[in-house]
Amino acid sequence: RKEVEQDPGPFNVPEGATVAFNCTYSNSASQSFFWYRQDCRKEPKLLMSVYSSGNEDGRFTAQLNRASQYISLLIRDSKLSDSATYLCVVINQAGTALIFGKGTTLSVSS
Amino acid sequence: IAGITQAPTSQILAAGRRMTLRCTQDMRHNAMYWYRQDLGLGLRLIHYSNTAGTTGKGEVPDGYSVSRANTDDFPLTLASAVPSQTSVYFCASSAAGGRQFFGPGTRLTVL
Repeated sequence: RKEVEQDPGPFNVPEGATVAFNCTYSNSASQSFFWYRQDCRKEPKLLMSVYSSGNEDGRFTAQLNRASQYISLLIRDSKLSDSATYLCVVINQAGTALIFGKGTTLSVSS
Repeated sequence: IAGITQAPTSQILAAGRRMTLRCTQDMRHNAMYWYRQDLGLGLRLIHYSNTAGTTGKGEVPDGYSVSRANTDDFPLTLASAVPSQTSVYFCASSAAGGRQFFGPGTRLTVL
């Protein structure tokens, strides 16, 4: 099993739709979790951290399920500008490095 | 500057040549990282440095070397470039165990 796995997509949704991405990780001792966003040919940028109790930032909601070892990202009321690749990221047990999933591509159309 | 910069932005290089990719941050972050990103493979860690004077190997270190003489700079060197090193290279930095900030990337083509 790969350390961090994501459905690559693409997810093609209309504006206003709600879309959810899941990500699974293999190391149960993983410490911290993030969602990054990457636009085409640009660097990844932090979208949000993922906390054990779940957290929300505007239209974005992140959740962590340690028992099942997955994290999720929910995007409500999708905008054209949400079109990007979303990377699930896990910090390893030693805290020395981030492990990236390969990303899920989202395309929002009008 | 504010943040993290990389140079060059892009480079075409003949196989066998030596190349150093530069990375500089002004956030006084202790930790710095080099990744390569290839289609279908995602971001893979090449080398990292938790603090000035120390470095470590990541997932794909072969063919690459790094140094960390000071806090701000973390150059990546390809001693003898090969076509399989054609990739987009991202440098990143972070405070210990925290979110990483990425540079804009260097697009390297080895012919």
